[in-house]
Amino acid sequence: DAGVTQSPTHLIKTRGQQVTLRCSPKSGHDTVSWYQQALGQGPQFIFQYYEEEERQRGNFPDRFSGHQFPNYSSELNVNALLLGDSALYLCASRFSPAPNYGYTFGSGTRLTVV
Amino acid sequence: DAKTTQPTSMDCAEGRAANLPCNHSTISGNEYVYWYRQIHSQGPQYIIHGLKNNETNEMASLIITEDRKSSTLILPHATLRDTAVYYCIVRVAVSGAGSYQLTFGKGTKLSVIP
Repeated sequence: DAGVTQSPTHLIKTRGQQVTLRCSPKSGHDTVSWYQQALGQGPQFIFQYYEEEERQRGNFPDRFSGHQFPNYSSELNVNALLLGDSALYLCASRFSPAPNYGYTFGSGTRLTVV
Repeated sequence: DAKTTQPTSMDCAEGRAANLPCNHSTISGNEYVYWYRQIHSQGPQYIIHGLKNNETNEMASLIITEDRKSSTLILPHATLRDTAVYYCIVRVAVSGAGSYQLTFGKGTKLSVIP
């Protein structure tokens, strides 16, 4: 049973560029959330997608945007990259009919902005 | 969601029980207690959650005090692979496809020592 799959695993981008990160949720899951984890910190919530719509958003600028596709997979886009965007980006999925069960997280994409 | 307080770090001898405390003195009656852990360079892993009663699964036990103001995660026989950061999170119960975010603190760094 495949868990949450994220790609790529590592990425190096230059300041000012744009990046797209991808996530395939665990089989049977329909809700996807994205988190940013800076070095030494806990993950911070970016946004959540359900039924192809953004349902909740954390305290992140509009440079961060996302999309969910009909097959429940998701993308995170970050425009005009800043050095401070360097972090581990985590995707998490869950099954909406069981909303109080735990999320399944992927292993993340390590983004380095130089 | 109620705030949580956890010790910064703890040590545990291999084979012994690891007891990780969490204070959540402002918890409301409809808020769950969740535990996740994050092994170095991986995404967080769901461990267990509970509302009022003590819970046990194949990974751990969760003991919630009667007044619900604190809880303890118990790993009955810690192994070296249990070395990780453990996060205690309190979150309000939702229904249906309700949106919710997980608010991570800095967690407890558990080191299992041979």
